[in-house]
Amino acid sequence: GQQLNQSPQSMFIQEGEDVSMNCTSSSIFNTWLWYKQDPGEGPVLLIALYKAGELTSNGRLTAQFGITRKDSFLNISASIPSDVGIYFCAGAPSGNTPLVFGKGTRLSVIA
Amino acid sequence: ETGVTQTPRHLVMGMTNKKSLKCEQHLGHNAMYWYKQSAKKPLELMFVYSLEERVENNSVPSRFSPECPNSSHLFLHLHTLQPEDSALYLCASSQDLTPRQEPQHFGDGTRLSIL
Repeated sequence: GQQLNQSPQSMFIQEGEDVSMNCTSSSIFNTWLWYKQDPGEGPVLLIALYKAGELTSNGRLTAQFGITRKDSFLNISASIPSDVGIYFCAGAPSGNTPLVFGKGTRLSVIA
Repeated sequence: ETGVTQTPRHLVMGMTNKKSLKCEQHLGHNAMYWYKQSAKKPLELMFVYSLEERVENNSVPSRFSPECPNSSHLFLHLHTLQPEDSALYLCASSQDLTPRQEPQHFGDGTRLSIL
């Protein structure tokens, strides 16, 4: 089946630093989504991208839908302790096909 | 209030027990999903229901049996589970099957431990 390669697997950063993570695929996706999961909770949608080249922000978060439609990245600026969690990318290959999820990036912020 | 409520939040059961997980969504969505989340693995889609009909079953063992009595409720019936079935089981819903219109909203999951 289709797979998403999400990297890095984990990150340890200082508070105030910027963060970047990405997802790549060998096939084209029509939709890219970024979720965050806090401990003991379900994933919460951060940003949804529907168009190649689209750049969308949500507060300190910015995500882009790659031009090739095979990748997406998420940036977090000026990280704070509450950014800690696991960030998942998800993609929809086409039409009504189910979402494919990456393995997640575990972010730790050192105050 | 996430809009998607799962009960129980934690469940410990023996391999011979029968239990059920419940999911309820208050968003007026037509599609509901069960996922399994294990450590260091991507979310695994188990079942998809659209308008109360099962549209996807990803080769899930028969010891997991879903039920969708209406568009707001989804159950996962468990019977004779194995230790490797211990995981976080997440329910999600979306307006329909097309992520373009409304991405999936997740519940907080049921943490299942099999003894």
